[in-house]
Amino acid sequence: DTAVSQTPKYLVTQMGNDKSIKCEQNLGHDTMYWYKQDSKKFLKIMFSYNNKELIINETVPNRFSPKSPDKAHLNLHINSLELGDSAVYFCASSRDHYTDTQYFGPGTRLTVL
Amino acid sequence: SQQGEEDPQALSIQEGENATMNCSYKTSINNLQWYRQNSGRGLVHLILIRSNEREKHSGRLRVTLDTSKKSSSLLITASRAADTASYFCATDGLIKAAGNKLTFGGGTRVLVKP
Repeated sequence: DTAVSQTPKYLVTQMGNDKSIKCEQNLGHDTMYWYKQDSKKFLKIMFSYNNKELIINETVPNRFSPKSPDKAHLNLHINSLELGDSAVYFCASSRDHYTDTQYFGPGTRLTVL
Repeated sequence: SQQGEEDPQALSIQEGENATMNCSYKTSINNLQWYRQNSGRGLVHLILIRSNEREKHSGRLRVTLDTSKKSSSLLITASRAADTASYFCATDGLIKAAGNKLTFGGGTRVLVKP
């Protein structure tokens, strides 16, 4: 009964390819997030959606495009992958966009060759 | 720059000892949270302390917050091998008009030796 799940867990791809990471939460939360964790373990927020509406959009290259088909899903599509995109990407959710506690998925380790 | 910065970056202790780590932040907050990350896993929420609280306990965890110094500490008492993980502090923004944006520090890697 995983609360926040992500697929795939590992993703290895060539530079220039387009890839997607999927996230689903079964907690009934309204708000979902995407974070990037670099090799030094720094975790930075990328996007946040509340009830399918984009509410946080940090300084992220427009090659990254989130899509929320419904409030239980938040997918991340990345175009023209670059070496610097290699990182672990975490999806998270919270009850709403005022609630502070966030629940994280297991992460997707993206390696761009 | 990181809003939250943990100190030390790494900590190695024997099982049964206490582990203390600190977090400093730059701007005013509503609350501060601590999360744990086991190797290869996502972050797990441990405890939240509000800006009007000075100390909070949860099981073997004790968190303090000093808003005048913009710092927090996490103490794990009677550590166990299972406490081996990275610990992150996270701060929110004082104004939440832009949503619940948490800013994480770089984490403290704790190794508890059996």
